[in-house]
Amino acid sequence: QSVLTQPPSVSGAPGQRVTISCTGSNSNIGAGYGIQWYQQLPGTAPKLLIYGNTNRPSGVPDRFSGSKSGTSASLAITGLQAEDEADYYCQSYDSNLNGYVFGTGTQVTVL
Amino acid sequence: QVQLQESGPGLAKPSGTLSLTCAVSGDSISTNYWWSWVRQPPGKGLEWIAEIYHTGSTKYNPSLTSRVTISVDRPNNQFSLRLTSVTAADTAMYYCARVVHRGSYFHFDYWGQGTLVTVSA
Repeated sequence: QSVLTQPPSVSGAPGQRVTISCTGSNSNIGAGYGIQWYQQLPGTAPKLLIYGNTNRPSGVPDRFSGSKSGTSASLAITGLQAEDEADYYCQSYDSNLNGYVFGTGTQVTVL
Repeated sequence: QVQLQESGPGLAKPSGTLSLTCAVSGDSISTNYWWSWVRQPPGKGLEWIAEIYHTGSTKYNPSLTSRVTISVDRPNNQFSLRLTSVTAADTAMYYCARVVHRGSYFHFDYWGQGTLVTVSA
């Protein structure tokens, strides 16, 4: 029972821009806890893509960007590439649960 | 480069106990990071299970706290997970990960490759 809601799937043609939303509440995103995004390629472990709402770890292309507003956050992928086909998860901390929560996950398809 | 490697039986019997270990290399487990277990049932999303600090401080997912124990073995630079009274619903890929605590930001920066545990008689 995830407390962070994402669309099940998004798709776009190569080169296009897609966005993935992550909707939470006042006990997680709205409380000021940072949002992280992870990319999970088929058959592999999740990989940190964005941390602290907007920061990219070393090696992550600047095609990936994060934003946050109120109780929601978004991940944008610009210049979509075939290698971006993967599942994407948002993650935060929830004060009611006193633990970490992940989003429901979004499958990105490159048409 | 930090590396994490999960190990343990790939099969557990219903009502039995699941035990996994995560070996950490490239970093001391006694540094200023927390260490977590995350699981993912086949075809489903990620679920945080528990985390531990090298001092022994722990946090658990409220939905699993009655069945889960996380522990740390500093001399061997590893930490472990124990899940009791398992059912088919506990069948999942189990990942260990390093957790960065930075103010109000908490993120998993390094992950193991995962180990699949199936609960079946």
